[in-house]
Amino acid sequence: LAKTTQPISMDSYEGQEVNITCSHNNIATNDYITWYQQFPSQGPRFIIQGYKTKVTNEVASLFIPADRKSSTLSLPRVSLSDTAVYYCLGNSGGYQKVTFGIGTKLQVIP
Amino acid sequence: DVKVTQSSRYLVKRTGEKVFLECVQDMDHENMFWYRQDPGLGLRLIYFSYDVKMKEKGDIPEGYSVSREKKERFSLILESASTNQTSMYLCASSLTQGQGVKTEAFFGQGTRLTVV
Repeated sequence: LAKTTQPISMDSYEGQEVNITCSHNNIATNDYITWYQQFPSQGPRFIIQGYKTKVTNEVASLFIPADRKSSTLSLPRVSLSDTAVYYCLGNSGGYQKVTFGIGTKLQVIP
Repeated sequence: DVKVTQSSRYLVKRTGEKVFLECVQDMDHENMFWYRQDPGLGLRLIYFSYDVKMKEKGDIPEGYSVSREKKERFSLILESASTNQTSMYLCASSLTQGQGVKTEAFFGQGTRLTVV
């Protein structure tokens, strides 16, 4: 499984675009990059997943360059309700041990 | 919608007690996981199971055991609870798919266990 590194915390003002970058230098050919979001007192929830290039859904965009050694989660025009911890992980499907790290604590400021 | 249900939201137990945390999922997922979450340490995997009666140690299995007698249920057992096991415990489940196929884990709401 890919070992990932991401910033421990970030602050942003409401209405701004937030980009959180994750490094995964040893990502395997079969690994997808998955991002989860966790609000206080709740379990994490899946927000987006990709293999390469760009993926967009109603919550976020995910950019993965050609070498796949990093990925960037982009949250457009954040609001206070986007304050959460964001986790980046690599997984290859199948029978797998899903491990999380410390994640990035995003604080949105009014 | 996938639902992962943990039996208790809050639990207070005494040191030395045997504690059972129960988790049930309703989507016929093969994989189930138990994590604990502590401030500054993120989510750490305790045990996981990829099939009935099968289990694998995660990163911090010491002091814990698990049981999976039915596909939908995964139990975490603290044989003799200690104060350093006071934590938020999270259960999750996921589907097994082929290599190179994306999958996601679905989480329960968590059980906040306090050992006094």
